[in-house]
Amino acid sequence: EVQLVESGGGLVQPGGSLRLSCAASGFSFSTYNMHWVRQAPGKGLEGISYINIRSSTTYYVDSVKGRFTISRDNAKNSLYLQMNNLRAEDTAVYYCARDSARYSYLDYWGQGTVVIVSS
Amino acid sequence: EIVMTQSPATLSVSPGERATLSCRASQTVSSNLAWYQQKPGQAPRLLIYGASTRAPGIPARFSGSGSGTEFTLTISSLQSEDFAVYYCHQYNNWPPYSFGQGTKLDIK
Repeated sequence: EVQLVESGGGLVQPGGSLRLSCAASGFSFSTYNMHWVRQAPGKGLEGISYINIRSSTTYYVDSVKGRFTISRDNAKNSLYLQMNNLRAEDTAVYYCARDSARYSYLDYWGQGTVVIVSS
Repeated sequence: EIVMTQSPATLSVSPGERATLSCRASQTVSSNLAWYQQKPGQAPRLLIYGASTRAPGIPARFSGSGSGTEFTLTISSLQSEDFAVYYCHQYNNWPPYSFGQGTKLDIK
């Protein structure tokens, strides 16, 4: 069974940092591209970052570029999101999601981890 | 950037009836369109990909249609567990990501 389990969320002050993790199991993690998607309270889905299987290609939405860094450790079956210089507008549930094998729809999602940026 | 527009924002339907949700792309996305279901407090779940292919384990009452710029998600006979928010997502041309703003399916 495919499982994605996020962790690392919490309450942080503006300007602070957090590192989110996503532990993958039930599939060959090293052969799938991965994504981070967030959802602000009461809002829709926002794709924010992507990483390919070899970490050679990454993508960031403009609003997080230069502040967030996506990475992965295939040996540990884990995906990460380092978030620096956090802002109030980064408050959201953060989901990791698996990219389908051939196309870029998101076929499995984790349960999410909550990030609250507030003083 | 491709903009996805879903309609209506909220749809009220009685259990057992049919629900039809729409998604329009600002330019063609071929058949590279997915639908996700999200229940309160839960993660999104993939329902449909390739505009019309049900994901594994998705009941046959869910069907998708369309290509190009116009897409429809139909739920043939609504069950209580189907009341949720539904998002469309084009993956034909990205980045950036393109999700619709969602349609909330309410019990009438």
